[in-house]
Amino acid sequence: KQEVTQIPAALSVPEGENLVLNCSFTDSAIYNLQWFRQDPGKGLTSLLLIQSSQREQTSGRLNASLDKSSGRSTLYIAASQPGDSATYLCAFTGGGNKLTFGTGTQLKVEL
Amino acid sequence: NAGVTQTPKFRVLKTGQSMTLLCAQDMNHEYMYWYRQDPGMGLRLIHYSVGEGTTAKGEVPDGYNVSRLKKQNFLLGLESAAPSQTSVYFCASTTTGPGKTYEQYFGPGTRLTVT
Repeated sequence: KQEVTQIPAALSVPEGENLVLNCSFTDSAIYNLQWFRQDPGKGLTSLLLIQSSQREQTSGRLNASLDKSSGRSTLYIAASQPGDSATYLCAFTGGGNKLTFGTGTQLKVEL
Repeated sequence: NAGVTQTPKFRVLKTGQSMTLLCAQDMNHEYMYWYRQDPGMGLRLIHYSVGEGTTAKGEVPDGYNVSRLKKQNFLLGLESAAPSQTSVYFCASTTTGPGKTYEQYFGPGTRLTVT
């Protein structure tokens, strides 16, 4: 069974800092991975999707990488802002086109 | 395009009551999913459908039933609600095939409380 672990569970950083969120998975047979953002009481916003044949994807200040051999993905956020405060979830699409989610990293960017 | 929509947004039920959550998508996606989200548990798959008229169990299917009578709609039913079903429910959809990314698109969620 695919298991997805996100470390750290919570993170607090000062504004302007670059940061890395980690996601690890146990089964390398994946179609893609997605990184989502979730604000309190809200739905999921898709940030980046990396297909299994790709190594990374970039969108603005966000960069996500995928290393299937080591079972790891990272989300890099450059020059963090208070508006980046949210919970970040990673998820993998595996067999049956089903997503398996991590439990998330709760990020707080302080002024 | 509205994307994925969910009805209702909020609901409070008493133990033993029944209800149906509706998910609709206008992207002609074949696959549709129902997840629940609980604190500290992440999102877990309840049921999913790979096409009109087909459904399958996910990770936590007990206490729920689903139907996919039309391609654009996926219904989640609770026949006899229990407090353990208090959660936020998310619907998602995706399409498959050559050149597709299998990206899942999510609805805004339904917050259900069972007292």
